[in-house]
Amino acid sequence: DQQVKQNSPSLSVQEGRISILNCDYTNSMFDYFLWYKKYPAEGPTFLISISSIKDKNEDGRFTVFLNKSAKHLSLHIVPSQPGDSAVYFCAADAGGGADGLTFGKGTHLIIQP
Amino acid sequence: NAGVTQTPKFQVLKTGQSMTLQCAQDMNHEYMSWYRQDPGMGLRLIHYSVGAGITDQGEVPNGYNVSRSTTEDFPLRLLSAAPSQTSVYFCASSYSWTSYTEAFFGQGTRLTVV
Repeated sequence: DQQVKQNSPSLSVQEGRISILNCDYTNSMFDYFLWYKKYPAEGPTFLISISSIKDKNEDGRFTVFLNKSAKHLSLHIVPSQPGDSAVYFCAADAGGGADGLTFGKGTHLIIQP
Repeated sequence: NAGVTQTPKFQVLKTGQSMTLQCAQDMNHEYMSWYRQDPGMGLRLIHYSVGAGITDQGEVPNGYNVSRSTTEDFPLRLLSAAPSQTSVYFCASSYSWTSYTEAFFGQGTRLTVV
């Protein structure tokens, strides 16, 4: 049973517009959430994170929103740039323990010129 | 600053062969882990280590062994390769496992078992 779900395998957005990537989770023990970006033939790189005590975290063009009651988070990229084309993984952590992150399947974001 | 280095980048194995995927980090990170990524799936945890001499199983440990003799190195061993182990393998490290810190990933090893 998937605990972290990214229901859109791909998303196409025009350059300069807003990209919104969504993520849902089912495990109530998750209390820390991260977004990773992955280019082909490279490892995932950390993008932004949010603790469950917050509902928003912003870093430059990237903002993550967390809705705990809906068990939903989203990543907003404004404005979208061609270099943002990549696969984005949502990941969750439960209690900061040693058993690693739980990842979603990823969303392939394509920025159209 | 190299970060997390994985070798090799590509490998083809025959069923039944064994091999070791190497992972090294130069950030003095306490926590290291191995994930596999299969088509249409997220990354899944194979094994992890919270420090030298301490390892434990993750979500999908069968067919793999690990050891951590130094802080820097965390090799993953395939004992008898099977086609089901065809995947992309990522090694990751974090400063700590007791608090929330980001994981740094290597570039990955693409393994094909024929």
